[in-house]
Amino acid sequence: AQSVTQPDIHITVSEGASLELRCNYSYGATPYLFWYVQSPGQGLQLLLKYFSGDTLVQGIKGFEAEFKRSQSSFNLRKPSVHWSDAAEYFCAVGGYSSASKIIFGSGTRLSIRP
Amino acid sequence: GAVVSQHPSWVICKSGTSVKIECRSLDFQATTMFWYRQFPKQSLMLMATSNEGSKATYEQGVEKDKFLINHASLTLSTLTVTSAHPEDSSFYICSARDRGNAWGNTIYFGEGSWLTVV
Repeated sequence: AQSVTQPDIHITVSEGASLELRCNYSYGATPYLFWYVQSPGQGLQLLLKYFSGDTLVQGIKGFEAEFKRSQSSFNLRKPSVHWSDAAEYFCAVGGYSSASKIIFGSGTRLSIRP
Repeated sequence: GAVVSQHPSWVICKSGTSVKIECRSLDFQATTMFWYRQFPKQSLMLMATSNEGSKATYEQGVEKDKFLINHASLTLSTLTVTSAHPEDSSFYICSARDRGNAWGNTIYFGEGSWLTVV
């Protein structure tokens, strides 16, 4: 079955500190993986995606994620967070075909300590 | 770039009435669109897969007679919440994949529609 687990419900980091948000997935074939960010009351913004090639993916706003097939993980990282990074972050997984549905994790809320 | 547009962005309706939300792909064709629902401070839950020219595929636990989905063309899918009740108040988001892309790896989300049932 297709599923995504984000084990951390809420994370607080100091401004300027590094960040890693965890994501583990279950998918029966080669997965298509995403990280989205959502500010309160807003829609989704795509940070980055992975479907093939280099397992270290660069995204917008200084984020990156690394696909580790052996660990079924796709963790999101940022070397130095900014107060504006405070938001809800969602990991998602789907398949390659245009009819494949995208399933979201439960989300991780990121708070930034001044 | 490609955009998925949802309308309306906000809607308030009276309990017992029906409300329709549109999802349009503005510059690409989408054989398949997806409808999600998000309660406050929760994740996006997939409700159904909307297939152009055929019936929608609903996820387990989603009432198909309450949430009517129509995908009449390659650029338009509609979600109609019938006999709405306050517990249907939620944020509804659609997404679409560009069928013109061989790998189907271009996915676009609408900006969402807030439904409040009073």
